[in-house]
Amino acid sequence: GAGVSQTPSNKVTEKGKYVELRCDPISGHTALYWYRQSLGQGPEFLIYFQGTGAADDSGLPNDRFFAVRPEGSVSTLKIQRTERGDSAVYLCASSPGTSGETTDTQYFGPGTRLTVL
Amino acid sequence: RKEVEQDPGPFNVPEGATVAFNCTYSNSASQSFFWYRQDCRKEPKLLMSVYSSGNEDGRFTAQLNRASQYISLLIRDSKLSDSATYLCVVAHSNDYKLSFGAGTTVTVRA
Repeated sequence: GAGVSQTPSNKVTEKGKYVELRCDPISGHTALYWYRQSLGQGPEFLIYFQGTGAADDSGLPNDRFFAVRPEGSVSTLKIQRTERGDSAVYLCASSPGTSGETTDTQYFGPGTRLTVL
Repeated sequence: RKEVEQDPGPFNVPEGATVAFNCTYSNSASQSFFWYRQDCRKEPKLLMSVYSSGNEDGRFTAQLNRASQYISLLIRDSKLSDSATYLCVVAHSNDYKLSFGAGTTVTVRA
């Protein structure tokens, strides 16, 4: 079946511009996550959605970052007034969102490579 | 101090060799442990979960030492296709928020 998809795969923008990154999760997955991976580092958690609501946005670095998931499926990560330090790969993941004793397996998309010049 | 620390490597090994590496985690409340594999410029993919009793999946063996707060991965009979970065991942109980190490790079040469 189809996995997590992300668009665009690459985005080059200028400092100060606004960007939107899109994530299409696996069909039926209620949980959606955004991570950011800088060069030579592991992914870092940004935000988690359960359904339409952001259950935890504690990883967002500042108020320039915002994410939405209005219909509980596709999500958009929005970055205002981009800075060079925002350059990274932005990864989206989804999971079934079932509660239980174990952590849901998260399935990652291919990421969007953002470069801020 | 990062929550998950890994030796970045690289570990360069010949085909057929055994390679092993560890990671340490700082939060004693961590309850779920995983190894993810990431190929160059690709997304992380779950390799295996790590259970308290240790577990094996084919040529891969994972161990967890809660007392010392470290996790290990051993790869036997290395294949060229095992060349990748291996990410150590921990989560709190039922926690969606995965904490990743920076990864250990393994290169298997012919």
